[in-house]
Amino acid sequence: SSELTQDPAVSVALGQTVRITCQGDSLRSYYASWYQQKPGQAPVLVIYGKNNRPSGIPDRFSGSSSGNTASLTITGAQAEDEADYYCNSRDSSGNHLFGTGTKVTVL
Amino acid sequence: QVQLVQSGAEVKKPGSSVKVSCKASGGTFSSYAISWVRQAPGQGLEWMGGIIPIFGTANYAQKFQGRVTITADESTSTAYMELSSLRSEDTAVYYCAGEFGIAAAGTWFFDPWGQGTLVTVSS
Repeated sequence: SSELTQDPAVSVALGQTVRITCQGDSLRSYYASWYQQKPGQAPVLVIYGKNNRPSGIPDRFSGSSSGNTASLTITGAQAEDEADYYCNSRDSSGNHLFGTGTKVTVL
Repeated sequence: QVQLVQSGAEVKKPGSSVKVSCKASGGTFSSYAISWVRQAPGQGLEWMGGIIPIFGTANYAQKFQGRVTITADESTSTAYMELSSLRSEDTAVYYCAGEFGIAAAGTWFFDPWGQGTLVTVSS
């Protein structure tokens, strides 16, 4: 299918670990990239490729992939990690797909 | 460090067109692609299309084919997105983003992003 599916919402206790998943056929061929978006702000790239973090992104963010599923893990979640997270992948037509988004709440 | 600065908010009538600009500073404008992504109120991100300025060719999401035109002016390091036949459902924040890819590694990503431009379609 030409969709990327994410769980709508997850919650994590402060300092604990949370994994956000993204499922779609395109992920069998292309790595996902992940974006953090806080209310009223533009998205920010947090992970791309196999498991690469742009400069300035804390190392508590990591990525992985298996089959048709990509995952973003936040190890030791902080209050400032509360945000919406979107995955993205290119498809075989050269188009880009965004996931449905996951709202992360830090308790 | 590349920065993308977009034009200001727009209010448009149904059936009209809107053209949003995205000016790049820092880096080499022609060395990367520019994509446009929109976000309706309370909704997720939606890729509309992109352009590689050095080639001048754009590709569009099927949903927007025939209604969106993406162009780039290398002389001013500015990309444009024009959406026509506007309807209320086009009310959204429109973002431009630098698009980078490593084809051999199956890796693409968007970074940086513009600040977003709110387009409101209302009669």
